[in-house]
Amino acid sequence: DADVTQTPRNRITKTGKRIMLECSQTKGHDRMYWYRQDPGLGLQLIYYSFDVKDINKGEISDGYSVSRQAQAKFSLSLESAIPNQTALYFCATSDSGLAGGQDTQYFGPGTRLTVL
Amino acid sequence: RKEVEQDPGPFNVPEGATVAFNCTYSNSASQSFFWYRQDCRKEPKLLMSVYSSGNEDGRFTAQLNRASQYISLLIRDSKLSDSATYLCVVTPPGAGSYQLTFGKGTKLSVIP
Repeated sequence: DADVTQTPRNRITKTGKRIMLECSQTKGHDRMYWYRQDPGLGLQLIYYSFDVKDINKGEISDGYSVSRQAQAKFSLSLESAIPNQTALYFCATSDSGLAGGQDTQYFGPGTRLTVL
Repeated sequence: RKEVEQDPGPFNVPEGATVAFNCTYSNSASQSFFWYRQDCRKEPKLLMSVYSSGNEDGRFTAQLNRASQYISLLIRDSKLSDSATYLCVVTPPGAGSYQLTFGKGTKLSVIP
């Protein structure tokens, strides 16, 4: 089984609909992240969470919200989807407990979202 | 100047060739550096960290030049399975290694 899972893997929706993307991990990591990737662009950080009670905005948080339901679960919501939110969304996790500070981020398989 | 810049490619090389990618970063105080690999429509995966003294992992060699603000990735004896997009990743100063800034990637195609 994959360590970081995302559901759904693909989703087509209409403008104005509310959408939730879910991420679960079995790695026991405390940090979780949501990114989006657009064709020809680098990954951009939407939100990140250091633990259940610590959630922070990333560089492009407008139009998105998140919920850290448990250490292993981090969901991303689009309250009212719009076409320019069409993108590939990745969840990632990392472990803050490693010495040296270079904690590797492990990515889920991604959710391809299309907003019509 | 963009934070992290890469030549998008594509680099089309024959099997067995040596290929090198460079990446430049704008913030001279950046702390940590990585190369990630991303296959088409798949998630990014860490290829290797880049250390100040340079480091090697099998056919892959990464180097950091802080004075010129660039990092490089050298792939020797290219395999078909090396075909992917290679992402240069940098962490800004003070952010800790959790806040990654990604380049747009360099596409490599290894041809039989």
